[in-house]
Amino acid sequence: DGGITQSPKYLFRKEGQNVTLSCEQNLNHDAMYWYRQDPGQGLRLIYYSQIVNDFQKGDIAEGYSVSREKKESFPLTVTSAQKNPTAFYLCASSRPPGHVNTGELFFGEGSRLTVL
Amino acid sequence: AQSVTQPDIHITVSEGASLELRCNYSYGATPYLFWYVQSPGQGLQLLLKYFSGDTLVQGIKGFEAEFKRSQSSFNLRKPSVHWSDAAEYFCAVGTSGGSYIPTFGRGTSLIVHP
Repeated sequence: DGGITQSPKYLFRKEGQNVTLSCEQNLNHDAMYWYRQDPGQGLRLIYYSQIVNDFQKGDIAEGYSVSREKKESFPLTVTSAQKNPTAFYLCASSRPPGHVNTGELFFGEGSRLTVL
Repeated sequence: AQSVTQPDIHITVSEGASLELRCNYSYGATPYLFWYVQSPGQGLQLLLKYFSGDTLVQGIKGFEAEFKRSQSSFNLRKPSVHWSDAAEYFCAVGTSGGSYIPTFGRGTSLIVHP
């Protein structure tokens, strides 16, 4: 079945450590996104990528980094520079509008990061 | 830039009662509109979407939504709520030009009383 796989589902980190969250999709989608979710704040965009080898900062990119070396993969690194990294992280993908059944985002199951 | 407002943080309904969740958006042209549902600790699942055409759209799980351009609204409705509908609901808007970056509202938490 096609879909988006995020791993790990739960992750604990000590302060000062970098961690990388994995996101893989087999939907053949060009666009991929990382959102951060905190209680009562909805989804906030961290980074997005419309095409391989290109990505753009979202609204809250500080303290995060990404890469897009393959169409299927869009890993997110939470660096030690991120002041408050404890959150639920969601990866998504989409085709841009103009294709059939496009525009909607397909989400992974999320990764919960806790800083100890 | 587009924005989405979900004015209700929490909504409590009794099982079997009707439901309406409000969503207002701000965007200059005709947007792409979506409603998603999220169960605790899970990703988001698409309930329904509006791109063009009929302004009343039907979705999964018995949900529907109506696009009202004059009110910049896209409210979600269900005639009879089931206990399993308790979840977080998100309205989202996507733009039709440039980089495609959907924007989400803050969400409405639905509580269902037996």
